[in-house]
Amino acid sequence: SQTIHQWPATLVQPVGSPLSLECTVEGTSNPNLYWYRQAAGRGLQLLFYSVGIGQISSEVPQNLSASRPQDRQFILSSKKLLLSDSGFYLCAWSSIGELFFGEGSRLTVL
Amino acid sequence: EDQVTQSPEALRLQEGESSSLNCSYTVSGLRGLFWYRQDPGKGPEFLFTLYSAGEEKEKERLKATLTKKESFLHITAPKPEDSATYLCAVQAWRAGSARQLTFGSGTQLTVLP
Repeated sequence: SQTIHQWPATLVQPVGSPLSLECTVEGTSNPNLYWYRQAAGRGLQLLFYSVGIGQISSEVPQNLSASRPQDRQFILSSKKLLLSDSGFYLCAWSSIGELFFGEGSRLTVL
Repeated sequence: EDQVTQSPEALRLQEGESSSLNCSYTVSGLRGLFWYRQDPGKGPEFLFTLYSAGEEKEKERLKATLTKKESFLHITAPKPEDSATYLCAVQAWRAGSARQLTFGSGTQLTVLP
């Protein structure tokens, strides 16, 4: 069966520091991969998606970037965090329609 | 632009008190409507996919239905463990293979013992 792992689960970082969140999927090949951000009381906002290695599409202009160095690995990064980057980040994968999410990463920027 | 509106924002029920959550949507060509359950501090858990008006799906105490404008998630005789936020999302028929979903803000359900 397919599984998705996301880490770290929680992260507290100072403003201006770098960020790296990682996500890996097991049990499937060539999945579509996604990074979402969820703010309190709001829906999930799509940040990036990828249909293959090295193929990244950005949905909103922001301080973040994404990379897909391997088929089942998706990384969310920032060179310098802003206060507004705080939130709950979710990685997800899909094949035929439904999205399957990881456990999420809670980022607090101080 | 695809839009999803969920109501109510929050719902408190007594154990055993059945009710329904609403998801109204606007999309240019519905490919699928999805329901998820999300527990605090966790990622959303997939529940159902509905593809066409009139379709229904059930899982334990939950039943999802779909019309051309909205979907309902019916909860029959809920238990405290059904407490969670329920998210609705739609996917449109569009070119490209990313299959992006548009999510609503969710309904926070609390079931009291």
